[in-house]
Amino acid sequence: ILNVEQSPQSLHVQEGDSTNFTCSFPSSNFYALHWYRWETAKSPEALFVMTLNGDEKKKGRISATLNTKEGYSYLYIKGSQPEDSATYLCAFIGSGGYNKLIFGAGTRLAVHP
Amino acid sequence: EAGVAQSPRYKIIEKRQSVAFWCNPISGHATLYWYQQILGQGPKLLIQFQNNGVVDDSQLPKDRFSAERLKGVDSTLKIQPAKLEDSAVYLCASNPGGSYNSPLHFGNGTRLTVT
Repeated sequence: ILNVEQSPQSLHVQEGDSTNFTCSFPSSNFYALHWYRWETAKSPEALFVMTLNGDEKKKGRISATLNTKEGYSYLYIKGSQPEDSATYLCAFIGSGGYNKLIFGAGTRLAVHP
Repeated sequence: EAGVAQSPRYKIIEKRQSVAFWCNPISGHATLYWYQQILGQGPKLLIQFQNNGVVDDSQLPKDRFSAERLKGVDSTLKIQPAKLEDSAVYLCASNPGGSYNSPLHFGNGTRLTVT
């Protein structure tokens, strides 16, 4: 059974702090990794789709890196704002039969003014 | 473009009752997904449609869950009869061609409470 782990489970930071969280996934049969942001009462919103080892992607104050050989991805938020408060989900998809998105349980971020 | 539409937003039913959820994907998106997200867990794929055909329903509890996408556009997910453990958020998502090189577009979800 494939497992996608996210840590920490939850995080409380002050406005202006920078933060990061981790997504761990199987290091074999990698195809792609997705990151989504899910704000309360809204729909999950795609942040990044990453496919290549060493990929780095950036969207405003949010960036992500990918290491497929060791099976992890980091999501960074620089200068957190209250509007960044959300659950951040990663999802792994493999090849060779593991061809459905497997989601982690998410990291719940709360940014306090 | 209009997003993925889902209804209802919330539903409370008693165990053994039936419930149905509706989803209209983004226009032109061939692939439609239903996910179940139980509190504290990540979303789990229930069923994936490509146009009006089922691609993957391996995790759909077929004794009580059914789904259809008759005309290859909107879709309905039904639970009959519901159990307490079906309490969850049911998310519908779509993407243009089913390739995981592009992201999924999600609806707001339906929060189901079974009492």
